[in-house]
Amino acid sequence: AQSVTQLDSQVPVFEEAPVELRCNYSSSVSVYLFWYVQYPNQGLQLLLKYLSGSTLVKGINGFEAEFNKSQTSFPLRKPSVHISDTAEYFCAVSDGFNKFYFGSGTKLNVKP
Amino acid sequence: KAGVTQTPRYLIKTRGQQVTLSCSPISGHRSVSWYQQTPGQGLQFLFEYFSETQRNKGNFPGRFSGRQFSNSRSEMNVSTLELGDSALYLCASSFAGNPDQETQYFGPGTRLLVL
Repeated sequence: AQSVTQLDSQVPVFEEAPVELRCNYSSSVSVYLFWYVQYPNQGLQLLLKYLSGSTLVKGINGFEAEFNKSQTSFPLRKPSVHISDTAEYFCAVSDGFNKFYFGSGTKLNVKP
Repeated sequence: KAGVTQTPRYLIKTRGQQVTLSCSPISGHRSVSWYQQTPGQGLQFLFEYFSETQRNKGNFPGRFSGRQFSNSRSEMNVSTLELGDSALYLCASSFAGNPDQETQYFGPGTRLLVL
């Protein structure tokens, strides 16, 4: 089975500062990688996904992530955050059998 | 296009009861997946249905079951409720039945409280 580790449960950051949310996964096979965002009292929304090809993936709302196979990591980055980015972010992995494994989530708190 | 809808949004039950949750996917979507979200365990995969067949199942006891109808609507049932079943239950749909490569669209969830 796969596992996903999000080392930071909470990340406080000031508005307009850059941010990186960490994600590591364990897998001995090829995986598909995803980042989702969850706003309060809402479901999850896909930010971006890596299936194959270029390791740098650009998503919605100015977010991007870089797949690093040797370090089995997929960190999420944004060069300048806004108050509206305050939410919980989930990293997820699928091994190609329609089964998803999610990390425990990172709460991003953007302060003015 | 309407999004994924889940009913009811909130539910309170007592231990030992059973509960049925409903999920209506986006029109045209044939794959529906269910997840349990709790503060302690995070998001855990329950099962996935495609064209009325369960294709994948997570590591949950047999008290958790589901089904999918011919119109792709799905229901999830939990029998003999336990306090630990209190959670947000999320459903997600995708179009072609390959959620790995298709985008999964999530509903707002059903928040279940077991007393």
